[in-house]
Formats: sequence, structure tokens, C-alpha cells
Amino acid sequence: GAVVSQHPSRVICKSGTSVKIECRSLDFQATTMFWYRQFPKQSLMLMATSNEGSKATYEQGVEKDKFLINHASLTLSTLTVTSAHPEDSSFYICSARPRTPRALHFGNGTRLTVT
Amino acid sequence: DQQVKQNSPSLSVQEGRISILNCDYTNSMFDYFLWYKKYPAEGPTFLISISSIKDKNEDGRFTVFLNKSAKHLSLHIVPSQPGDSAVYFCAASMSGTASKLTFGTGTRLQVTL
Repeated sequence: GAVVSQHPSRVICKSGTSVKIECRSLDFQATTMFWYRQFPKQSLMLMATSNEGSKATYEQGVEKDKFLINHASLTLSTLTVTSAHPEDSSFYICSARPRTPRALHFGNGTRLTVT
Repeated sequence: DQQVKQNSPSLSVQEGRISILNCDYTNSMFDYFLWYKKYPAEGPTFLISISSIKDKNEDGRFTVFLNKSAKHLSLHIVPSQPGDSAVYFCAASMSGTASKLTFGTGTRLQVTL
């Protein structure tokens, strides 16, 4: 089945620093990838849609200057949390979809802790 | 505004019995529905999906039922196994949105021996 790889799985950083999270589709090309965020005991909330070769589309309430998304190739999207604050601590998950079937496949997520 | 709702935060079922997880949605534009299983600190794993042109889809022990008039779908797992213990999310999407998913709040299923 389709595999989506996300790295790192866990990262701890100091407040004010930036953190980059990578999402790769290993066995298919993805023109579109999605970044989700999950707070404890809550649902997955879509942050942005990453489009290969063009700007990302952000959901309402998500700061595009804080969460930088770069979809450099058909198999790689990156999310950079800039000037991280403790409230950015969360579980970030990327996803991508092969052409068929119409189902997203998710990476294993990144647990970000900002101290 | 929670467009996809899972009103039961948790469910406990005995091994071998049927597990029924429910999901309701409010947006009539949704035309594709999915169920995902999630373990702690991992990404969701796709289980089964259903298009709005169908009312049932079956894959092994998993069956999803869709009632469009009631805007309700359910996931049946039979027989339930201890390894099925996880959080289950239903999700919905609409055509033309490149698979942008709206997730429910999840139901924690525990299958007991």
C-alpha cells in the first residue's frame, strides 16, 4: 500500500527557534499533500494544503508566516514552524493521496514540544 | 462548527462481539466518507471508505453503512478482536477538494477479553 514517511517523529526545541518537519511519499507522486494538527484528545484539524510548485492554501486561523510550507517536489513537502512558542506544542501529521483510491495516507506524525 | 461528529467518545466491546461506531455529518456536500484507525503517537491508518452513491461497503471484518437521508454512517467490526482497540475517526470529503478531509472527534474502542 501507499507509504508516507514523516520525519522527525519527535522533536523538542526551545522557544523562539524554528523546526522543520519533512513529509515524503515513498512509492507514489503527490501533487497535493495535507498538514494536520492534533491536540490531545481532539480531532485532527487541517492546517493547510500543500501544492507542488505553488503556494500552500491555509485554513482559516492558521498563520502562514508562522507555519511555512514548501512542496519542493512531487514526493516531498516540508512544514517549518518558525519562532516556535510553547502553545505550538502539538502532534503534526502530514498526508498524501495517490491517484487511486481516493483515500489519504498519513505519515506517523511528529510530536513537537516547545520548551 | 463541527461538521462531522462522533457522539460516543468511547466504546467497550467484548472480544468476538460486534463493534458499532457511529458518525453523523451536517454538510450535505460531502460525498465520500472514510474511517481511520489511530494508535497513540502514530498517524491514522486508512480502514475503509464509501462513496455517497452506495449505502454499504464491506472489507473483511469491516463494513461501513451510509444513510444519506439521515446524514449518518456507521462502522461495524465483526468479530471484534483485542487488536482492534484504538481510536477510530470518521472523515468526510467532497468532490473537487483534492481529498481535503474533515474529521470527526474520534471514538476510543476497547475490545476486552
